[in-house]
Amino acid sequence: EVQLVQSGAEVKKPGESLKISCKGSGYSFTSYWIGWVRQMPGKGLEWMGIIYPGDSDTRYSPSFQGQVTISADKSISTAYLQWSSLKASDTAMYYCARPLRRTYSDAFDIWGQGTMVTVSS
Amino acid sequence: QSVLTQPPSVSGAPGQRVTISCTGSSSNIGAGYDVHWYQQLPGTAPKLLIYGNSNRPSGVPDRFSGSKSGTSASLAITGLQAEDEADYYCQSYDSSLSGAYVVFGGGTKLTVL
Repeated sequence: EVQLVQSGAEVKKPGESLKISCKGSGYSFTSYWIGWVRQMPGKGLEWMGIIYPGDSDTRYSPSFQGQVTISADKSISTAYLQWSSLKASDTAMYYCARPLRRTYSDAFDIWGQGTMVTVSS
Repeated sequence: QSVLTQPPSVSGAPGQRVTISCTGSSSNIGAGYDVHWYQQLPGTAPKLLIYGNSNRPSGVPDRFSGSKSGTSASLAITGLQAEDEADYYCQSYDSSLSGAYVVFGGGTKLTVL
């Protein structure tokens, strides 16, 4: 079964760093892009960026460029989303997702269960 | 402000037909990029409903259909059921001077009366 399993919920303070993960299984991890999507409480979906684990080619939305870092470790089939200094406005549910086919603009047919990040002093 | 515009809400009675629009521009839908649709039930991850403008993944009922014309796309749901009450999002790709990236619509809440 193709699936993405994300790390658990996090509660952090402003200014702290954080790295959340998304582990793929049931398919060739290096052959598909993996994207990250933010959903703030009560709000819609926002595409943050995407990485191709095969060669670490990474693309970011202009809204998130410089705000987060997307990376992947193909040896353990895991993608990451990282912040160096969290803000309260980073409080949101974060989903990783895999496109249906091997282009990063394609529909996401596989989604992780989501990681809730809460940033509060 | 989303690059793709959806109505905030739509509603319909059981058995009726509803449509949800997704309006873009010449840098996304109008440029020929595909539109995809998702359903998100409360507290769950989004689920792919329609890909490539009008294709249904395996397991999605044929009550759901998608279309695209010009700078807009639409999701139609026929034979409305209580379990269709959810948020719906369109997705496409935008390429302009500011860059090229995936974009979502703002989402539409469907209420089954």
